[in-house]
Amino acid sequence: AQSVSQHNHHVILSEAASLELGCNYSYGGTVNLFWYVQYPGQHLQLLLKYFSGDPLVKGIKGFEAEFIKSKFSFNLRKPSVQWSDTAEYFCAVNAGGSQGNLIFGKGTKLSVKP
Amino acid sequence: KAGVTQTPRYLIKTRGQQVTLSCSPISGHRSVSWYQQTPGQGLQFLFEYFSETQRNKGNFPGRFSGRQFSNSRSEMNVSTLELGDSALYLCASSIGSVSGNTIYFGEGSWLTVV
Repeated sequence: AQSVSQHNHHVILSEAASLELGCNYSYGGTVNLFWYVQYPGQHLQLLLKYFSGDPLVKGIKGFEAEFIKSKFSFNLRKPSVQWSDTAEYFCAVNAGGSQGNLIFGKGTKLSVKP
Repeated sequence: KAGVTQTPRYLIKTRGQQVTLSCSPISGHRSVSWYQQTPGQGLQFLFEYFSETQRNKGNFPGRFSGRQFSNSRSEMNVSTLELGDSALYLCASSIGSVSGNTIYFGEGSWLTVV
C-alpha cells in the first residue's frame, strides 16, 4: 500500500534558523507531491506542489521543496524561519487514481521561538 | 471568491446516532473529497465524488457514506456513531478529477461523539 513518512513529529527552531522537513513516500510509479500547512486554528493551505518538470519547486512564503525520485523523497526547506511559520506541516502524495485521493503523512509540528 | 464551506462547524452527537455533514465546494469545482483527521491516525481519505459519481473510496466501514448533488455540493453521513468517530472531517474541492489540479480544503466540521 502507498504510504507517506514524515521523519520528525515536532521540530523546534529559533527565528532565522534554517528548516528542512523530511518526507518519503512509497510508490514506484508517477506521483504528484504536495506540502500543506495548517496554522493554529486555520484550515489546510497548499504551500507548494510538484507534478512534473523542474524537481525544485518554490512555494509561498519562501518555502521550497526538492523531489528526488531515486530517494522517493520530497523534503521541504526554508532558509530562514520566522515565528509566523509556527504550524503543522503535512506532506501528501497523489499516486495514481484520481486527483482527490491524497495520502498524507502524519504531519510535523514546527515551533519557532522568537 | 468564496472558499470551501462546511457546515456545521461543531457538533456533538451521542453514540448510536447518525450525522450528516455538508460541503459546498468552490464555485466551478466539480470534484469533492472528504477526509477524516484525528490525532492518532492523521488525515485519512474517505471518498471522492465527481459529477455526482463516487470515484474513489478509502478504507472506512460502510457506516460512512456520501453523495454529491448536481450543483456539486456534497454531504457525508455517518450512521451508528461510535466514540472513535470523533474527529475533524475535512472537505476538499478541485476543478476536475484529473492530475494537475490543486485541491483546496475547507475549515472542517468538528464532530464529538459522547
